[in-house]
Amino acid sequence: GAVVSQHPSWVICKSGTSVKIECRSLDFQATTMFWYRQFPKQSLMLMATSNEGSKATYEQGVEKDKFLINHASLTLSTLTVTSAHPEDSSFYICSARGSIYEQYFGPGTRLTVT
Amino acid sequence: DAKTTQPPSMDCAEGRAANLPCNHSTISGNEYVYWYRQIHSQGPQYIIHGLKNNETNEMASLIITEDRKSSTLILPHATLRDTAVYYCIVRSGGSEKLVFGKGTKLTVNP
Repeated sequence: GAVVSQHPSWVICKSGTSVKIECRSLDFQATTMFWYRQFPKQSLMLMATSNEGSKATYEQGVEKDKFLINHASLTLSTLTVTSAHPEDSSFYICSARGSIYEQYFGPGTRLTVT
Repeated sequence: DAKTTQPPSMDCAEGRAANLPCNHSTISGNEYVYWYRQIHSQGPQYIIHGLKNNETNEMASLIITEDRKSSTLILPHATLRDTAVYYCIVRSGGSEKLVFGKGTKLTVNP
């Protein structure tokens, strides 16, 4: 099946700094990628939809200036958490649309802000 | 908001069939039923999807009622590695978004 990777798998950063998370589709091209956030013992929450070559579409309540998304190629989307705060600590998961029917998820990135 | 209702938790004995129910009484004609699962601290894994016919693949079977208001995911011979949270999601063919509900935490016991 299609493989989606994320890097890093975990990261610890200090409050006020920025951190970038990469999402790559390894064996297929993805015009659309998605970014989710998951807090402990909660379900996944969609943050934004990322389309190659265009601006991301953010879900209601997600700050676009804080969570910068770039989808510069058909195999790479990045999420940058700017000026991170402890409340941004979460599990960030990306997915890539393979066909119209299927989305493939990455393994997730655990972000801890101290 | 999620359009599905699932029991919060279920238990199953190893080697037995696990039957996970899902209610989607407001499903519309062009909406598909998807099942994903998430093993602890990993990304979700696609299992199966269907529109109105029953579907089977190497992982599971999906049984959709004739009125399409509910469905059941069947893992025919559950193993300990099937312990995970299972999400039933309704999505239209024209929509790209997957909206996750709370899912069912399945625990397979030895």
